[in-house]
Amino acid sequence: AQSVSQHNHHVILSEAASLELGCNYSYGGTVNLFWYVQYPGQHLQLLLKYFSGDPLVKGIKGFEAEFIKSKFSFNLRKPSVQWSDTAEYFCAVNGGNQGGKLIFGQGTELSVKP
Amino acid sequence: DTAVSQTPKYLVTQMGNDKSIKCEQNLGHDTMYWYKQDSKKFLKIMFSYNNKELIINETVPNRFSPKSPDKAHLNLHINSLELGDSAVYFCASSRSGRGQQPQHFGDGTRLSIL
Repeated sequence: AQSVSQHNHHVILSEAASLELGCNYSYGGTVNLFWYVQYPGQHLQLLLKYFSGDPLVKGIKGFEAEFIKSKFSFNLRKPSVQWSDTAEYFCAVNGGNQGGKLIFGQGTELSVKP
Repeated sequence: DTAVSQTPKYLVTQMGNDKSIKCEQNLGHDTMYWYKQDSKKFLKIMFSYNNKELIINETVPNRFSPKSPDKAHLNLHINSLELGDSAVYFCASSRSGRGQQPQHFGDGTRLSIL
């Protein structure tokens, strides 16, 4: 069965530190990959997505992610975090032949200290 | 203008009751979804409708019944509520049921069962 694993449950960083959140998935076929962010008390918002092409994708607010097919990974990065990046981050995977069904990871809570 | 709106935002009720959550999207999307987020923030898909037709039905108790009167609305009715139903329920929509389309989420409905 498809699954998504996010390695870090809670990450605490100081402002200006670099961020990398891990995401690994298990699925043998073509995948569509997403990172969503949930700010406190708000709905999920799309940060970035990967379908095909350049494995390094850039999203909103300075975030980027790299798809490494051989490692089944789609890690999220940001060179310098801000206090406003404090939020819950979710990696999600869609199997290419599964319609719109998204499988989510368990989420990573990011706390950025000012 | 809220793209995906859910009502109510909070729902507190007793075990055994029947309740409904409404969802409406004004994005002109064809596909709508219901997700359940448990106390550990794990998100799991429950249902998906495309143009009023059920296309995804995960292993959800049959006490949960989605209803889509038109493609802009997807309501969730829950019979005989149980303690384990306490969660945040998110509605989402996408342009089509294809996996590459990003999903737009509502603000969630926090259901608490006493």
